[in-house]
Amino acid sequence: AQSVTQLDSQVPVFEEAPVELRCNYSSSVSVYLFWYVQYPNQGLQLLLKYLSGSTLVESINGFEAEFNKSQTSFHLRKPSVHISDTAEYFCAVRRGSNYKLTFGKGTLLTVNP
Amino acid sequence: DVKVTQSSRYLVKRTGEKVFLECVQDMDHENMFWYRQDPGLGLRLIYFSYDVKMKEKGDIPEGYSVSREKKERFSLILESASTNQTSMYLCASRASDRVKRGREQYFGPGTRLTVT
Repeated sequence: AQSVTQLDSQVPVFEEAPVELRCNYSSSVSVYLFWYVQYPNQGLQLLLKYLSGSTLVESINGFEAEFNKSQTSFHLRKPSVHISDTAEYFCAVRRGSNYKLTFGKGTLLTVNP
Repeated sequence: DVKVTQSSRYLVKRTGEKVFLECVQDMDHENMFWYRQDPGLGLRLIYFSYDVKMKEKGDIPEGYSVSREKKERFSLILESASTNQTSMYLCASRASDRVKRGREQYFGPGTRLTVT
């Protein structure tokens, strides 16, 4: 069965600092990779996704993630965070034609002034 | 704009009650999903449906059932609510892979259910 590991449950940072949220998954076969963000008291929103092609994918609000097949990783990065980036971030993996999306346990990013 | 709505944001029920959580999507998506979200456990799939009247168990189906009579609506049913079902419940939908593979799931705002 597919599994997703988010290595940090909480990441506190100061505003304008860089951040990396780590995600590793268990299978190296064809996968689709996603990062979702959940702001307080809201549902999940898609941040970015990797389906194929370029291994570096970007979101509209400055986040990026790099698919590394050999390390089975899909880490999320932002060079300079804002207070408004405070949220919980979930990495998710879908294997090929499988219906299921498997989620990690989430990383709570807290940006302090 | 993509829209997934859930019937209630907050719900309080008593142990043993039958509970219905409703989810509606307006995107004509074939696939719909119910998850529960608990602190430190992430999202766990309860059931999903890939077509009207079709359903499959997810990772934690015990104590739950589902109904999908119309394409846009997917209901989660707790036959006899218990305190360990106190949780946040999230509904999601996704288009079929037939046209384009790898499409993302769209989530509703969630229903926070408390069973006392």
